[in-house]
Amino acid sequence: SAVISQKPSRDICQRGTSLTIQCQVDSQVTMMFWYRQQPGQSLTLIATANQGSEATYESGFVIDKFPISRPNLTFSTLTVSNMSPEDSSIYLCSVDKSGSGDEQFFGPGTRLTVL
Amino acid sequence: QKEVEQNSGPLSVPEGAIASLNCTYSDRGSQSFFWYRQYSGKSPELIMSIYSNGDKEDGRFTAQLNKASQYVSLLIRDSQPSDSATYLCAGWQWGKLQFGAGTQVVVTP
Repeated sequence: SAVISQKPSRDICQRGTSLTIQCQVDSQVTMMFWYRQQPGQSLTLIATANQGSEATYESGFVIDKFPISRPNLTFSTLTVSNMSPEDSSIYLCSVDKSGSGDEQFFGPGTRLTVL
Repeated sequence: QKEVEQNSGPLSVPEGAIASLNCTYSDRGSQSFFWYRQYSGKSPELIMSIYSNGDKEDGRFTAQLNKASQYVSLLIRDSQPSDSATYLCAGWQWGKLQFGAGTQVVVTP
C-alpha cells in the first residue's frame, strides 16, 4: 500500500485567488494522478504527473488553470488558479505503484469551496 | 458515450442478501478492471481487481468479467450495513483509470 497525505484538507477561498494543494507519499512512485470529484459525482482525471516529464492533461483541463509540479518521486503539487465557484470540489491525489492500475491508492482529498 | 457505464442507483439491499452491481465498458483495449468502494466523505479504496474472463472471489466479494460482452460485475454476498457505500467500476487503459459514475448501495437492516 501507500500512505498519502494532502494539505490542506479543506479550504474556503475567494473568487479570483489561487490555491496550491500538496501531495506527499511515503514511498517513491513514478505514476501520480490528480482527480476532481464534484458533489455526488464520480472521479474526473485532471492530469497525470509522472516524475521527469511534463504533466499530461485530460480534455477540458489546461496547464494555465491547473499547473502541476512533480519535483521528485514522493511529492507533487496542484494549483487551482483564478478560482471561480465552479472550482468548488474535492481534489484527490492518487499514486499507482504497479504502473498498471493494480496498486492505485488515493489520498484523503482536499475539499475546496470557492465563494 | 462514457467509456465506463454504471447505474447510479441507489441500490437498496436487505441485510444478508446479495448485492449485484453491473458495469459496461466501451473500449475493448481495456484489459484490467477494478472495483473501488467509497464511503461518504472518504476517498476510494480498492476492493477487487480482475483481468481475465470468469469469476474472482475474495471473501464476500465476487468480481465477474466477460470481455466478449464488455461487462464487469460485482457481487456482495451476505450484505452488511457496513457495505453501504458507493461502488466505482474502473478500467485501466492508456496508463490511467477510467471511472464509471458509481453505484450507491444502501443495505437496510
